[in-house]
Amino acid sequence: DIQMTQSPSTLSASVGDRVTITCRASQSISSWLAWYQQKPGKAPKLLIYKTSSLESGVPSRFSGSGSGTEFTLTISSLQPDDFATYYCQQYNSYSWTFGQGTKVEIK
Amino acid sequence: EVQLVESGGGLVQPGGSLRLSCAASGFSFSTYWMSWVRQAPGKGLEWVANINEGGSEKYHVDSVKGRFTISRDNAKNSLYLQMNSLRAEDTAVYYCARGRVEYSSSTFDYWGQGTLVTVSS
Repeated sequence: DIQMTQSPSTLSASVGDRVTITCRASQSISSWLAWYQQKPGKAPKLLIYKTSSLESGVPSRFSGSGSGTEFTLTISSLQPDDFATYYCQQYNSYSWTFGQGTKVEIK
Repeated sequence: EVQLVESGGGLVQPGGSLRLSCAASGFSFSTYWMSWVRQAPGKGLEWVANINEGGSEKYHVDSVKGRFTISRDNAKNSLYLQMNSLRAEDTAVYYCARGRVEYSSSTFDYWGQGTLVTVSS
């Protein structure tokens, strides 16, 4: 099975900061990577699919890049609504896997 | 409006069974892959199972193979997860989720609110 490793596990940042989260796959997944945001007690929300495509309604401050085994999610200017946990997910094979999550906290 | 509403969660003893349901509305259910994803208390997300639009292809994570079975009834716009031989480590919120692209396995664009399954004696 493909393993997904996110870093960091926790990130402390201030409003307005540029934030980058990294996700590494144990083998190539081409561009089949998505990013989700989850807030406490809520279902995950799709932000980005196929590495860099922004889901409808998601603010343009979110962007994704990468290919193969290394991917990044960037928030260009962190907003108060962005403090949450972020997960990457690969869907290259018929065994989907998520990263362990990155919690973005207020500094 | 796309809606996914899970039901069927609850407290069950180890070794017991439970059947989760997900009622779908607001879209053409029979043209989308559907999935179950779970989240143990305070932990991350874990994909559990997928099923294609017609129900002929099913995939399950290794940890539930032989114990859980995903199924669907397109006439009733419903998705199911039959869970047998439940273990304490199956305790989680179970989410129903829709594949993003019709007739294609893909990532998940709509999620239900989740139903809590607690396995404990």
